[in-house]
Amino acid sequence: QQQVKQSPQSLIVQKGGIPIINCAYENTAFDYFPWYQQFPGKGPALLIAIRPDVSEKKEGRFTISFNKSAKQFSLHIMDSQPGDSATYFCAALRSSGGGADGLTFGKGTHLIIQP
Amino acid sequence: GAGVSQSPSNKVTEKGKDVELRCDPISGHTALYWYRQRLGQGLEFLIYFQGNSAPDKSGLPSDRFSAERTGESVSTLTIQRTQQEDSAVYLCASSPTSGRAGETQYFGPGTRLLVL
Repeated sequence: QQQVKQSPQSLIVQKGGIPIINCAYENTAFDYFPWYQQFPGKGPALLIAIRPDVSEKKEGRFTISFNKSAKQFSLHIMDSQPGDSATYFCAALRSSGGGADGLTFGKGTHLIIQP
Repeated sequence: GAGVSQSPSNKVTEKGKDVELRCDPISGHTALYWYRQRLGQGLEFLIYFQGNSAPDKSGLPSDRFSAERTGESVSTLTIQRTQQEDSAVYLCASSPTSGRAGETQYFGPGTRLLVL
């Protein structure tokens, strides 16, 4: 059972464009939704995260939009740059479990920003 | 001030051999996680350690997998009688005690395991 579904699998955007990556979750007990960025040969790095009590969060050029009723959340990258080319993972966590469940990850989106 | 470190960075082994993967968490982080990342896939949670508490092993893929942690420091993930389907990147993450449990996880670079 895939608890976090991520789309698209891959995405190519021109420099300056706004790539959008979408995720949907099933478990309503999830209460923390981070996005991770992973470069080849490296471990994932936390990019931005949101809790369900807000509908949007911005950090620099990265924005998360959250729709609790639809159980969906998305990542927008404003003014995208070639250096943003990486694999992006959405994830979900049940914080009330004390972290013992671990993060549940989507399958990832391979993003390429063309110069 | 180093981040999470893992060793070896790469491991090639023959089917049927045992392998041991090591993780050094960030100093002071009491929570430690192991994940598996198969090629082109997301990360799959394996096991979690919190301080000196006994871990929940139910997420381990099979009884060939085991993990230990020495106090609140080094952890080892052992795979016995490796199979080709064990080929993956094994990632370790640690998390501080402050803030909400498990939320801010810092990942190491991973160990790339190839079973021939």
